[in-house]
Amino acid sequence: DAGVIQSPRHEVTEMGQEVTLRCKPISGHNSLFWYRQTMMRGLELLIYFNNNVPIDDSGMPEDRFSAKMPNASFSTLKIQPSEPRDSAVYFCASSLSANYGYTFGSGTRLTVV
Amino acid sequence: GQQVMQIPQYQHVQEGEDFTTYCNSSTTLSNIQWYKQRPGGHPVFLIQLVKSGEVKKQKRLTFQFGEAKKNSSLHITATQTTDVGTYFCADPVRGGNTPLVFGKGTRLSVIA
Repeated sequence: DAGVIQSPRHEVTEMGQEVTLRCKPISGHNSLFWYRQTMMRGLELLIYFNNNVPIDDSGMPEDRFSAKMPNASFSTLKIQPSEPRDSAVYFCASSLSANYGYTFGSGTRLTVV
Repeated sequence: GQQVMQIPQYQHVQEGEDFTTYCNSSTTLSNIQWYKQRPGGHPVFLIQLVKSGEVKKQKRLTFQFGEAKKNSSLHITATQTTDVGTYFCADPVRGGNTPLVFGKGTRLSVIA
């Protein structure tokens, strides 16, 4: 298995633009998580899907953020409009369930200028 | 739920010295997981501890879960430069089958 695949690896965009981050989880994993990592706040959970259904989005910072999981092999995290404070590394992770070890993707480093 | 507290925040050791990082909670944990993140990399799952007083070893790494399930530790014997990175503990802060909340991590530097 190729592991959790995220794209793009790096994204530089101007403030106000829409940004879409993509994730392909490991086949057979029922749980998918989006985390954001910054020096100040560490690793923060944004949203959690189980069997493609959003279960907990309480970590999504505001309405500018949205996430979808249209099928078991694909998820997106969208920021519209983007702001400089959204600059961070965004990780997608998948797991058999929330109670098992997580496999993280390589992350997307987002810079909003 | 309350995030677990990790100490120390940073640790610099000479190669060959031992290293320990601690994870503490004010509430009883259902289980705890440990991850390692190399500089510029992504977190990698190391181990999960579930039982009170549990001790698990992976080569030079020893993981412990406290008797009261309120603390955990990761000990590395005779550090090597390949051990460099940030070590995180994480727990399902709302218990059971809920997503992990990560501690702030301990960044380990190893001086050759």
